[in-house]
Amino acid sequence: NAGVTQTPKFRVLKTGQSMTLLCAQDMNHEYMYWYRQDPGMGLRLIHYSVGEGTTAKGEVPDGYNVSRLKKQNFLLGLESAAPSQTSVYFCASSRGPLNQPQHFGDGTRLSIL
Amino acid sequence: AQSVTQLDSHVSVSEGTPVLLRCNYSSSYSPSLFWYVQHPNKGLQLLLKYTSAATLVKGINGFEAEFKKSETSFHLTKPSAHMSDAAEYFCVVSETGRRALTFGSGTRLQVQP
Repeated sequence: NAGVTQTPKFRVLKTGQSMTLLCAQDMNHEYMYWYRQDPGMGLRLIHYSVGEGTTAKGEVPDGYNVSRLKKQNFLLGLESAAPSQTSVYFCASSRGPLNQPQHFGDGTRLSIL
Repeated sequence: AQSVTQLDSHVSVSEGTPVLLRCNYSSSYSPSLFWYVQHPNKGLQLLLKYTSAATLVKGINGFEAEFKKSETSFHLTKPSAHMSDAAEYFCVVSETGRRALTFGSGTRLQVQP
């Protein structure tokens, strides 16, 4: 009963480096989301996907790219990391649109030096 | 436009006493409203959801929330706090047609023995 699994759990990068965060869900959900959580700001949506092969921008998409090649996986990429991208990143999935509950992973803590 | 205001950033209660976490929302249309809980180093977990059915919504772990349209409020309550309730709580709103949930900034609940 894994639910939503995020890898890695922690990562430290230097400015300008690139990396990919992986999210996998085993609930056959159509919708998947990437959020960032910063102190005192709740969660903000970076990108989302409403099905395999589709992606769309959220509220704060700049500096990030995503891909959904398989229904169960949603990848978040940072092409050239910046200190402002230091955050905790959460992946979530849901059966349907925004009135459906979202299931969250445990997060990836990313520090950019 | 939709927005969420959690009126208290921190709430401290004694074990066995009632819990009240306050949330006001702003929405142009009939919203869906959620409360999520986040334990340290974990993702968010759904506590309860309101989607225009009964105005008093019961959730997991003894929590409930009442939707009051006239007051644009969706406060979370629990009759008797338990030590395991110590966590951060997020009030969340969504509107049909919007591409993102709107999260409140969170309320940290402390439970004193």
